[in-house]
Amino acid sequence: EADIYQTPRYLVIGTGKKITLECSQTMGHDKMYWYQQDPGMELHLIHYSYGVNSTEKGDLSSESTVSRIRTEHFPLTLESARPSHTSQYLCASSANRGNSPLHFGNGTRLTVT
Amino acid sequence: GDSVTQMEGPVTLSEEAFLTINCTYTATGYPSLFWYVQYPGEGLQLLLKATKADDKGSNKGFEATYRKETTSFHLEKGSVQVSDSAVYFCALSDLEGGSYIPTFGRGTSLIVHP
Repeated sequence: EADIYQTPRYLVIGTGKKITLECSQTMGHDKMYWYQQDPGMELHLIHYSYGVNSTEKGDLSSESTVSRIRTEHFPLTLESARPSHTSQYLCASSANRGNSPLHFGNGTRLTVT
Repeated sequence: GDSVTQMEGPVTLSEEAFLTINCTYTATGYPSLFWYVQYPGEGLQLLLKATKADDKGSNKGFEATYRKETTSFHLEKGSVQVSDSAVYFCALSDLEGGSYIPTFGRGTSLIVHP
């Protein structure tokens, strides 16, 4: 049973388009994360948030932005999509305790043509 | 900084074989350790965790023991099934730089043949 939802599941768009990937969770978690997963399955942290109005950049510079206006919602925006953005994007959340596990959505598979 | 190293895949086994996926870590603090599993077309889900030395996490026949002396958290299962075919990620959570940011290994693909 998914408590964290990502939409769309699949998206094919042309170069230069602006897109927003949606992520919502119903668990009341303060922490949320966006990961990019490459074809070799490795995860790269691109953004995270500790709570409302908190956003931080991760290790991977992906030319994307995020916002956290509500606890349950953490959208990821690409202002101008490029073929290099083609990837799987995973959203996750966790409770505030340091050793809390992450809960992942099922991902958005993005293809930029 | 913190890091997690796990064995490269794919690991290919026959059904009912014994499974070991090695995982070692480096951490500046005292981390909690996790194994996640990712089935095709899905996100990651927590498989098991351990929060202190000598703790054993277990779930669905999988086990892993937190070995602080060897900084390891190897995943084992006595008899794998075809349905265990997935990608397995070792991860840690450590207080680094004042915040708990998860660190993941690169993932190990497991393929189980009937």
